[in-house]
Amino acid sequence: AQSVAQPEDQVNVAEGNPLTVKCTYSVSGNPYLFWYVQYPNRGLQFLLKYITGDNLVKGSYGFEAEFNKSQTSFHLKKPSALVSDSALYFCAVRDIGNNDMRFGAGTRLTVKP
Amino acid sequence: GAGVSQSPSNKVTEKGKDVELRCDPISGHTALYWYRQSLGQGLEFLIYFQGNSAPDKSGLPSDRFSAERTGGSVSTLTIQRTQQEDSAVYLCASSLGRVSYEQYFGPGTRLTVT
Repeated sequence: AQSVAQPEDQVNVAEGNPLTVKCTYSVSGNPYLFWYVQYPNRGLQFLLKYITGDNLVKGSYGFEAEFNKSQTSFHLKKPSALVSDSALYFCAVRDIGNNDMRFGAGTRLTVKP
Repeated sequence: GAGVSQSPSNKVTEKGKDVELRCDPISGHTALYWYRQSLGQGLEFLIYFQGNSAPDKSGLPSDRFSAERTGGSVSTLTIQRTQQEDSAVYLCASSLGRVSYEQYFGPGTRLTVT
């Protein structure tokens, strides 16, 4: 069975500082990993994904994430946070061969000016 | 191009009534998913359609829930005899294909059962 955990319900950072949103996963095989963002009153938007290859993946809006197989983690990062990055972030995992995608409970990121 | 659309955006219904939620996926996307997002919770997988294959219904919480996808495009999620615990935001997503492709989400339907 596949599962994903986002250990922090809330992350607060100051504008201009680096941000990290944590995600750990559990799968029986090789994972496909995704990050999505949900702005208020809007649907989820795809940010980036790891399928294979380079462990560091770059996505939309300056976000990146690093796949760490030994730690089973896929933390989302951005070097310099913007107030407009404030939103709800979801990590998701899919095990190869499974149809469903497991989402984490979400982490609310607040960037303060 | 047009994204995933869902209707209605909001639905208030009385306990025991049936409701139908509609999803129009992105044209050309063969895969379609339904999820449920309860307040303060992550997304709960409900059902998955891929092309003409039999749907994966493993996430449906009870036999009151069903879904159809007509002509490989539009999908309808039906909840019969609604209960208060069915209140949630129901999200539809579509993608080009299986597993490795990212999903594109609609804005959701907020269902409130009174």
